[in-house]
Amino acid sequence: KQEVTQIPAALSVPEGENLVLNCSFTDSAIYNLQWFRQDPGKGLTSLLLIQSSQREQTSGRLNASLDKSSGRSTLYIAASQPGDSATYLCAVPLSDYKLSFGAGTTVTVRA
Amino acid sequence: NAGVMQNPRHLVRRRGQEARLRCSPMKGHSHVYWYRQLPEEGLKFMVYLQKENIIDESGMPKERFSAEFPKEGPSILRIQQVVRGDSAAYFCASSPLQGISGYTFGSGTRLTVV
Repeated sequence: KQEVTQIPAALSVPEGENLVLNCSFTDSAIYNLQWFRQDPGKGLTSLLLIQSSQREQTSGRLNASLDKSSGRSTLYIAASQPGDSATYLCAVPLSDYKLSFGAGTTVTVRA
Repeated sequence: NAGVMQNPRHLVRRRGQEARLRCSPMKGHSHVYWYRQLPEEGLKFMVYLQKENIIDESGMPKERFSAEFPKEGPSILRIQQVVRGDSAAYFCASSPLQGISGYTFGSGTRLTVV
């Protein structure tokens, strides 16, 4: 059974600091991992999808790494801004059509 | 091209009432997935539907919950005789083909049972 854990549950940083969000999963037989952003009262927006053959995926200030063997992924957000305040979720496939999500890390960037 | 539309955004029901949550997929999407997010927990898969068919309902509670996706109209998640433990955010996603790579999520319905 796949369990996805995200630590820490909440994070508060001053503007400009780099953010490091952690995700771990128990079954390393995954073929990809996704990071999502969830804003209060809104849906989920896909940020990055890393295929199992990749070690990293980058989009602007966001960089996600994947280490399948250790069951870990890390999302780095460089030079954080108040607009980065949100909940960040990681998810791995349970099958080709359903995902298993972590509980998320709620980020607050203080101006 | 509107995204995935869910309504209502917020729904308050008294214990024992019925809740009906609607999800209109993106244009051209015939696959719909429902997830539930309990407070302080991650989203949990509930059910996967194609037009007029339930493909996988392994995440649905055995009683009181049902889902449909008729040939015409939105997908409906129905909860009968709601209890306080049903209070959660319910999200739907749609995709053009079966598969998570094409997922687009709606904004969710927040159900509160009082």
